[in-house]
Amino acid sequence: QLQESGPGLVKPSDTLSLTCTVSGGSISPYDWSWIRQTPGKGLEWIGYISHSGTTNYNFSLKSRVTISVEMSKNQFSLKLSSVTVADTAVYYCARRIGTIEYFDSWGQGTLVTVSS
Amino acid sequence: SYVLTQPPSVSVAPGETATITCGGNKIGSRSVHWYQLKPGQAPEVVISYDSDRPSGIPERFSGSNSGNTATLTISRVEGGDEADYYCQVWDSSSDWVFGGGTKLIVL
Repeated sequence: QLQESGPGLVKPSDTLSLTCTVSGGSISPYDWSWIRQTPGKGLEWIGYISHSGTTNYNFSLKSRVTISVEMSKNQFSLKLSSVTVADTAVYYCARRIGTIEYFDSWGQGTLVTVSS
Repeated sequence: SYVLTQPPSVSVAPGETATITCGGNKIGSRSVHWYQLKPGQAPEVVISYDSDRPSGIPERFSGSNSGNTATLTISRVEGGDEADYYCQVWDSSSDWVFGGGTKLIVL
């Protein structure tokens, strides 16, 4: 199971920080992504961290995104800096196994609103 | 970057067949995956690799992919199928690409 957590309200220009806790198994064999759903743009892949620690980010967000993992806590995290109202979205964490091209397990998502 | 195009909404009566399309340039040469999103629930893949149905997904869900269009078909639609559906492909330059999503409305 995956569960997102973090503040539901972030001020413009601040940094959005979310954590995904993985339960029921080890975090280490899989690749982990953050994906968001906005009313206007639908689903958008934000980035991922691989089981080996390699990261890759959506080009459009790359300058503002950091994804990290904490193996000992079975958690991985998202930081999105300099947020604007356009970053208001439901944020999901998701798992990918091996070389499959899709995300086989997702969290329920958490709504983050950017507002002053 | 690779673009996937979906109709914003599809309406269907219970018991009928819903068809949701996903358009993309030569999408038939790619593998397409479909997700079902319901509010407050974890998204779920309903079709992978064009037409594979994961364990637990009803046989009413099927998929196809050819030319410039991939299709998700839901037969004998039920009220519980009302959800947003997204197609997704992997692209070597854009990584994971999603369509804009289609809201399935069960009348």
